[in-house]
Amino acid sequence: AQSVTQPDIHITVSEGASLELRCNYSYGATPYLFWYVQSPGQGLQLLLKYFSGDTLVQGIKGFEAEFKRSQSSFNLRKPSVHWSDAAEYFCAVGAPQAGTALIFGKGTTLSVSS
Amino acid sequence: DTGVSQNPRHKITKRGQNVTFRCDPISEHNRLYWYRQTLGQGPEFLTYFQNEAQLEKSRLLSDRFSAERPKGSFSTLEIQRTEQGDSAMYLCASSLVSGVLDEQFFGPGTRLTVL
Repeated sequence: AQSVTQPDIHITVSEGASLELRCNYSYGATPYLFWYVQSPGQGLQLLLKYFSGDTLVQGIKGFEAEFKRSQSSFNLRKPSVHWSDAAEYFCAVGAPQAGTALIFGKGTTLSVSS
Repeated sequence: DTGVSQNPRHKITKRGQNVTFRCDPISEHNRLYWYRQTLGQGPEFLTYFQNEAQLEKSRLLSDRFSAERPKGSFSTLEIQRTEQGDSAMYLCASSLVSGVLDEQFFGPGTRLTVL
């Protein structure tokens, strides 16, 4: 079955510290992978996506993610977290065919302490 | 700002009432998706349109749920005879298909509370 697992429900990181949010997926074919961020009262904003090519992808707001096929993972990283990064983060997987729905993980809530 | 708008942003209704939500996609986008997000969960796909055609609706949660996109522009999602379990955030997304690329842009959502 197709699924996305985000093992960490809630993470707290000190401002300025590095961040890694984990994402594992189960998919029958080569997936398209996405990370979205959702702030309270806001819609989902795309941080980055992976379709093919270089397995390390850069996104907005200083985020990056690395696709590891052997581990079925697509972890999100940021070298130095800012207080404004506090939000909920969703990993999602989609099929290469256009028009297919995204399958989302349950999300990881990031809190940033000063 | 993604450009997808949803109205209303919040809706409180009593059990058994019908509700309708509207989504206005980014103007040139030909695909429109509806998702539902409950507390502590990621968005769950409901249905999608390409232009005015509804190409997938088997994931609508029950026959109380229906969606339309009559002129291939805005879309409505209707829930009839609402139940408390329908309380959730309803998200709309749109995309412009280009080859196999289908990046979905999400609206802010409509939060439904059924009393």
